Amino acid sequence: DAGVIQSPRHEVTEMGQEVTLRCKPISGHNSLFWYRQTMMRGLELLIYFNNNVPIDDSGMPEDRFSAKMPNASFSTLKIQPSEPRDSAVYFCASSLRTSGPYEQYFGPGTRLTVT
Amino acid sequence: AQSVTQLDSQVPVFEEAPVELRCNYSSSVSVYLFWYVQYPNQGLQLLLKYLSGSTLVKGINGFEAEFNKSQTSFHLRKPSVHISDTAEYFCAVNWRDQGAQKLVFGQGTRLTINP
Repeated sequence: DAGVIQSPRHEVTEMGQEVTLRCKPISGHNSLFWYRQTMMRGLELLIYFNNNVPIDDSGMPEDRFSAKMPNASFSTLKIQPSEPRDSAVYFCASSLRTSGPYEQYFGPGTRLTVT
Repeated sequence: AQSVTQLDSQVPVFEEAPVELRCNYSSSVSVYLFWYVQYPNQGLQLLLKYLSGSTLVKGINGFEAEFNKSQTSFHLRKPSVHISDTAEYFCAVNWRDQGAQKLVFGQGTRLTINP
C-alpha cells in the first residue's frame, strides 16, 4: 500500500532557477496539503486542495510560489525564481475528506537547497 | 492569531524512564488535537488524536495524552521510553471555527533517549 510519494527527495539549485516539486497522494484521498518546514518557522501550511480545487492558499509566501493539482493523483509546487531563503523541507500530505477532522498522511518530504 | 506552544524544544531522558512532552494552545474554542511523530529523514506520522469524549486518549507505541480544557493543554506521556522513541514530536491543533482541515503545528520537541 503506497503512501504519499514525493519527488525529488533532494534538490539543489542555484538562486534564480525554477524549482518544481511533485506529489502523488494516496489513492482515493481527495484532499492534498503542501507544507514547508524550517528551523526558524517550524511547519507551515502553504496551500491545500479539496477535490483538486485550491481552498486556502493564504500560507503561500509570495507570488514566486504556485501550486497546481491537475488531477486527483498529482500535484506540483513551483518556485520561480528560487531564492536562498526558500531552502527548507517541503512536505506533501493527503487525507480522505468525509466529515470531521481528517488524519493527514505525510510524504517523506523534499529537501530543497538554494545556493 | 491562534497558536500552539510546545514548551520544551529538547527533552533528554534515560531509557525506561517516563516522559512528558508539553503542549498548550491559545484558545479554548472547540478544538481537535493531535500528536505527530517525525523520525529522522521521514515525514510525520500520527501518534494519537483527541476529537471528543474521554479526555485521556491512547495512541500507538504506548503513548497517551490528556486533554485539559481549562488549561488549554494536551500533554503527551509515556511511562517507559525506548531508544526507538528518539524522534521529534509535534503537537497540532484544528480550531473548529477554521474548518475541519487546517492544522496549526507547534515548533516540535526533540526527544532524545539515552541508554
